[in-house]
Amino acid sequence: DIQMTQVPSTLSAFVGDRVTVTCRASQSINSWLAWYQQKPGKAPKLLIYKASTLQSGVPPRFSGSGSGTEFTLTISGLQPDDFATYYCQQYNRYRAFSFGGGTKVEI
Amino acid sequence: QVTLRESGPVLVKPTETLTLTCTVSGFSLSNPDIGVTWIRQPPGKALEWLAHIFSNANDKKSYSASLKTRLTIYQVTSTSQVVLTMTNMDPADTATYFCARVEGGDAGGWLDPWGQGTLVTVLS
Repeated sequence: DIQMTQVPSTLSAFVGDRVTVTCRASQSINSWLAWYQQKPGKAPKLLIYKASTLQSGVPPRFSGSGSGTEFTLTISGLQPDDFATYYCQQYNRYRAFSFGGGTKVEI
Repeated sequence: QVTLRESGPVLVKPTETLTLTCTVSGFSLSNPDIGVTWIRQPPGKALEWLAHIFSNANDKKSYSASLKTRLTIYQVTSTSQVVLTMTNMDPADTATYFCARVEGGDAGGWLDPWGQGTLVTVLS
């Protein structure tokens, strides 16, 4: 299975900051990468798919980039509602999926 | 409106087999471009992908390599349900179990939406 490494595991930031989370795949996954936001006690919510396509309804301060083995999630202008844990996920419907270990964004 | 709802036991004993059901609405399991997946999350830990299914044909299912010998996934199209069984349960399998729709067709695999999750505790 493809291993996904996410860094950092925890990130402290202020409202208004620009923050970046990195996800690395153990082999090339083209652009088959999604990002999710999870708040305590809730199911994850899809933010970005195909590495850089913003899901409908997600604020444009969220953006994704990358291809191959290295990907980034950027939040430009952190808002109080953005303090949460973020996960990357690699996918290919013909094989196993996998998630990164998560990044907790703290105040 | 697309929804998924997980159901199953809250408590299971070690060595027992867990059976979880994901009941979907707002889309059809007979659509070969849409799948359903199971993910779990132990308390305070990261998400772990378990299995996904696009049809009951064996080449349309995939399992986590580390859990493959313990998992079985299948769907019942007539009742809009996807079932996951996990054998030989252990306290380390205590987690919230989520199901989610797999989107994007042939080049897809992103998950949206998710069910609310169901907490399963393994305790003797």
